[in-house]
Amino acid sequence: AQTVTQSQPEMSVQEAETVTLSCTYDTSESDYYLFWYKQPPSRQMILVIRQEAYKQQNATENRFSVNFQKAAKSFSLKISDSQLGDAAMYFCAYLTPQGAQKLVFGQGTRLTINP
Amino acid sequence: DARVTQTPRHKVTEMGQEVTMRCQPILGHNTVFWYRQTMMQGLELLAYFRNRAPLDDSGMPKDRFSAEMPDATLATLKIQPSEPRDSAVYFCASGLAGAFAGYTFGSGTRLTVV
Repeated sequence: AQTVTQSQPEMSVQEAETVTLSCTYDTSESDYYLFWYKQPPSRQMILVIRQEAYKQQNATENRFSVNFQKAAKSFSLKISDSQLGDAAMYFCAYLTPQGAQKLVFGQGTRLTINP
Repeated sequence: DARVTQTPRHKVTEMGQEVTMRCQPILGHNTVFWYRQTMMQGLELLAYFRNRAPLDDSGMPKDRFSAEMPDATLATLKIQPSEPRDSAVYFCASGLAGAFAGYTFGSGTRLTVV
């Protein structure tokens, strides 16, 4: 079974600085998708960014980018120019295109932005 | 923006009572998931449907939990009887199978069983 590990329960960063959240996963499949979700205090789960495993190019969405290392099974999220509104729980998730196509989540990283 | 609607947003109930949580998926989405979020276990998959058919509910305690999708616009998760250990946030998410675009989550139902 696939597993997703986020080794940093908490992170903090100064406003306007850059922070990187780590995620590793375990799978024997070659085709899959990876996601980062943000959960602010409102508890709404918001999709931040998506990466297809067959693409070598790292995904970017404005201030959010990923470093996808397929061989190392690593998928980190970089937030540039951190803003107070970025404070949230961040979840890394894995999805296989076969069968259930269900999301498997990591335990989450709580990000604090210091003004 | 299209959204997944969950009701109620909060629910406090006494142990032993029946609880029903509802979810309206995004129109056109054919896959619906129920997740439970707790501090200890994180986000756990309870059940999911595709084209209204239940495909996997192995994550649910069968003796007290049931999930149904009576029509394409409504998914329900029922707990009977409820127990304090069921206290959690329950999320519904919907998506389109094969799109791999990620799933859209509702705002969740925070359930407290006292």
